[in-house]
Amino acid sequence: GAVVSQHPSWVICKSGTSVKIECRSLDFQATTMFWYRQFPKQSLMLMATSNEGSKATYEQGVEKDKFLINHASLTLSTLTVTSAHPEDSSFYICSAPPTGDYGYTFGSGTRLTVV
Amino acid sequence: GEDVEQSLFLSVREGDSSVINCTYTDSSSTYLYWYKQEPGAGLQLLTYIFSNMDMKQDQRLTVLLNKKDKHLSLRIADTQTGDSAIYFCAEIPYGSGNTGKLIFGQGTTLQVKP
Repeated sequence: GAVVSQHPSWVICKSGTSVKIECRSLDFQATTMFWYRQFPKQSLMLMATSNEGSKATYEQGVEKDKFLINHASLTLSTLTVTSAHPEDSSFYICSAPPTGDYGYTFGSGTRLTVV
Repeated sequence: GEDVEQSLFLSVREGDSSVINCTYTDSSSTYLYWYKQEPGAGLQLLTYIFSNMDMKQDQRLTVLLNKKDKHLSLRIADTQTGDSAIYFCAEIPYGSGNTGKLIFGQGTTLQVKP
């Protein structure tokens, strides 16, 4: 089935620095990738949709300048958390649209801790 | 707006059956999914059901859909300790297609005791 690889699995950074999270589709091409954020013991909230060859689409309330999303190729989407603050600490997960009967395929997630 | 509700916690003994329940509000949902999340990991698709189906069985998993009551359940037969995880139900509201706008429940933590 479809596999989405997400790196890093966890990262600790200092306030004010930027962190890049990568999401790759390994055995298929994805013109679209979705980025979710998950707070502890809570559900997933869609943040934005990256589109290969065009600008990302952000959900209401998500800061575009803080969460930079780039879809560099048909197999790579990145989320950069800029000028990170402790409140940005969270679990970030990417997913690719359904392929065949596999539904939405999710990456393994990235635990970001800003200190 | 759309909303999906789940009970937060379920504890069972190994070998018993587990039933995780989910209710949703959007009667026009097209697909309903069950995902499993192990600690610190992403989401693994367990199974899904189309809105025009009442039941789907896949090995130890049985999904029941009651459209009248907008109720979805996941039954895990012969629950094992490896089934301990958080289980999310999710729906795709009508018209969302492949937009990524899955609406997730809060997740049910399943604890399996030896």
